[in-house]
Amino acid sequence: GDSVTQMEGPVTLSEEAFLTINCTYTATGYPSLFWYVQYPGEGLQLLLKATKADDKGSNKGFEATYRKETTSFHLEKGSVQVSDSAVYFCALSGDTGNQFYFGTGTSLTVIP
Amino acid sequence: DGGITQSPKYLFRKEGQNVTLSCEQNLNHDAMYWYRQDPGQGLRLIYYSQIVNDFQKGDIAEGYSVSREKKESFPLTVTSAQKNPTAFYLCATLGAGVSNQPQHFGDGTRLSIL
Repeated sequence: GDSVTQMEGPVTLSEEAFLTINCTYTATGYPSLFWYVQYPGEGLQLLLKATKADDKGSNKGFEATYRKETTSFHLEKGSVQVSDSAVYFCALSGDTGNQFYFGTGTSLTVIP
Repeated sequence: DGGITQSPKYLFRKEGQNVTLSCEQNLNHDAMYWYRQDPGQGLRLIYYSQIVNDFQKGDIAEGYSVSREKKESFPLTVTSAQKNPTAFYLCATLGAGVSNQPQHFGDGTRLSIL
């Protein structure tokens, strides 16, 4: 069945460092891919999405490219800030569009 | 403001007690979902509903029940049969008719055992 495998954390970076969080997926057909962010005590917020191969999603300095050949959707940011400290989830929705599969989440802490 | 409201934010359950978590939305979305979040385990699907008066079990439905009498509301009852209910519960919605859309989430309810 469909699934998402996400880089394990926690990840600790200094402010202005480069961030990569790896995400790979297994899916039949043509899934849509998402990154969500969760701040402490809150729900998940959509960070970015990509709906077909080679699409690049971007938002707030974060980027991820839908790579069908490597079944990956890695999250990157060139220069992280303390305010980026949160848990990040990679997710996919399958062909039907109404079933979602989430990675286990990666906790990021950015220190000044 | 359009959104999803979960209440209460914190809930405590006594032994043998059923408790109900509320989820209300004004996004006019057809589909609604309940997830359970435990540390290090990501999100696990409890129940989902694609239309009023219809719902399906997810991966971990045992010990939980739901109803969908109105489009706006999808309450989750954690029954006494759920022996390990301590977790963070998230409600989500999804609009219909447009593919490749993301789910929208409420702010969650944290349930603990007294």
